[in-house]
Amino acid sequence: QSVLTQPPSVSAAPGQKVTISCSGSSSNIGNYYVSWYQHLPGTAPKLLIYDNNKRPSGIPDRFSGSKSGTSATLGITGLQTGDEADYYCGTWDSSQSAGLFGGGTKLTVL
Amino acid sequence: QVQLVESGGGVVQPGKSLRLSCAASGFTFSDYGMNWVRQAPGKGLEWVAVIWYDGSNKYYADSVKGRFTISRDNSKKTLYLQMNSLRAEDTAVYSCARYVTGGGYSTTFDSWGQGTLVTVSS
Repeated sequence: QSVLTQPPSVSAAPGQKVTISCSGSSSNIGNYYVSWYQHLPGTAPKLLIYDNNKRPSGIPDRFSGSKSGTSATLGITGLQTGDEADYYCGTWDSSQSAGLFGGGTKLTVL
Repeated sequence: QVQLVESGGGVVQPGKSLRLSCAASGFTFSDYGMNWVRQAPGKGLEWVAVIWYDGSNKYYADSVKGRFTISRDNSKKTLYLQMNSLRAEDTAVYSCARYVTGGGYSTTFDSWGQGTLVTVSS
């Protein structure tokens, strides 16, 4: 059971929009930046969002991030079949003095 | 370009030890904090440990604290993970990941290796 809670799965049709939530507490999301990763099987995870809402170079603006209180959200618009992957949120936790990942969310593009 | 290559994985009996290495190239290794992240079969990502650019700070997940030790040799551009008292639940693909800065309290990793598989089994 992860300290950061994500829905196990989400789905939407191509071209549509989807959001993935990540719920934590004041010892983690509430006081630290959140990052988001896309992970395709057999490949290295790819950083999509860092510092809550910033995109690394090369990440399209279809991907967005936000944070409010102790929760964060990843948004993906204009869904493509190539977006099918597992998505993870991550942050630091002061009570454990450790990094944390959410349990992951499997995105299916129907 | 940034390259991180892990090695040292394999099959090991419970209670035994193993040391993983992560060879870095394509960037100034001594400027960046480094992490180990693992993924057990069929499970999600689990952060394992971090070491800051100069080795001054190290932090561990509760699940490995007291058994695993992270270290680095900046002259060799290599990151290590010494794993002792291994358990079946440590079976996973272990990947090294580069912090975007020299250190800090985040999970912002901009480069990852492909990972090395550790299987703990009798």
